[in-house]
This record gives sequence, structure tokens and C-alpha cells, in this order.
Amino acid sequence: QKEVEQDPGPLSVPEGAIVSLNCTYSNSAFQYFMWYRQYSRKGPELLMYTYSSGNKEDGRFTAQVDKSSKYISLFIRDSQPSDSATYLCAILSSGAGSYQLTFGKGTKLSVIP
Amino acid sequence: ETGVTQTPRHLVMGMTNKKSLKCEQHLGHNAMYWYKQSAKKPLELMFVYSLEERVENNSVPSRFSPECPNSSHLFLHLHTLQPEDSALYLCASSQDGTSTGYTFGSGTRLTVV
Repeated sequence: QKEVEQDPGPLSVPEGAIVSLNCTYSNSAFQYFMWYRQYSRKGPELLMYTYSSGNKEDGRFTAQVDKSSKYISLFIRDSQPSDSATYLCAILSSGAGSYQLTFGKGTKLSVIP
Repeated sequence: ETGVTQTPRHLVMGMTNKKSLKCEQHLGHNAMYWYKQSAKKPLELMFVYSLEERVENNSVPSRFSPECPNSSHLFLHLHTLQPEDSALYLCASSQDGTSTGYTFGSGTRLTVV
């Protein structure tokens, strides 16, 4: 079983829609939960992170973690064409003398005007 | 210059060539990473350097050879690569021991012909 599972999509939504992106993970030792956004021809950039179960909101973005189900979500409200990108979930854990990130495959999102 | 800078942005090389990828970070971080990003696969961690010492090598073939001369610079030396090594190679840095994740460069798009 892969450590982090993420549906690669692609996902296409109309402008203004609510977007839901999800990942599941298998390792209970995972500590921090992150979402990265990657535009075409760019490296991933950190969008949000959290370490506890529950919701964390930042503008139009809400990150949700359910540790009992090992399930993390990212919600985008009032989606905009500029949100079109690949969204990667990532989970940070410690080991081998450093912190390490384990990524999902990424979900490619297109927001259609 | 700010953030993480990678050069070159694009590289085409033959299977018998030797080339090097360069990464430089201007963030004062103490850990640096090489990742490989292939289509429809999760980001694959290749090498981790913490305080200029290699702490992780995820069974990467010896045709990839990293070098970290100081905390700001990271190289990936390439020789006798295979076509399946064609991918986006991403460098990242972090302040080890924190939960704020990594800062990525824009990557080097490598094509092996």
C-alpha cells in the first residue's frame, strides 16, 4: 500500500465552483499535513499546513484533517481560473536525522472561466 | 536573488554524456534535497543533506551522484543516464526541525536521448 494516495484527476470545474481535493495516508506516525500548489513549469509552493485534526482556513482555502480516518482534504471556495494548477498533498514525518516529506501524485485542476 | 534557484532550466543530454545540475538557496536553510518528478508519479525523494552531510539515499542508481559543498549549494552529477531518467528534477531546502515544509526551486527539465 502506498503511503499517500491521491487521485490524479484531471479535475475540471466552472469558475465559482467549490473544489474538493482529497488524500488518504497509511502511516499513523505522520505528523504534519501540507498542501502544495504547482503551476506549470514551476516548482511546488506551500499553500497550507496543519498538524492537528480539524479545519484550518486561509481565505478561500480550507485544509481539513481527520486523523482517525487518515484522510486529508483541501477545499477551494469561489474557484478562480488562477487556481488552475496541480495540487499535491504532502505529509511531513521525522526520521533518519531529518524531517522528510512524502507526496501524493498530485491532482491537476482546471477552473474554466 | 531569493528563494531556491536551479540551473539549467532545461537540459538535453545523450546517454554517454556527463552533466551537472546546480541548486542554490538564499534562505539560510540547513537542509537540502533532490527530488525527481515524473508524469503520473509522486515526487520521489532522491537525496537528503542535513548540515551538509548526506542522511538519506533512497536507493538511487549510482549514475546520479550528489554533492553538497556548503549549506547553500547542492549539485547533482549525471553520467551514463537512461531515457527513463528523463524527468523534472527539483531541488528543495528547509530549516531542519521545523514544520513549515520545504521551499522548492523551479526545477531542471531533463531529457535523455
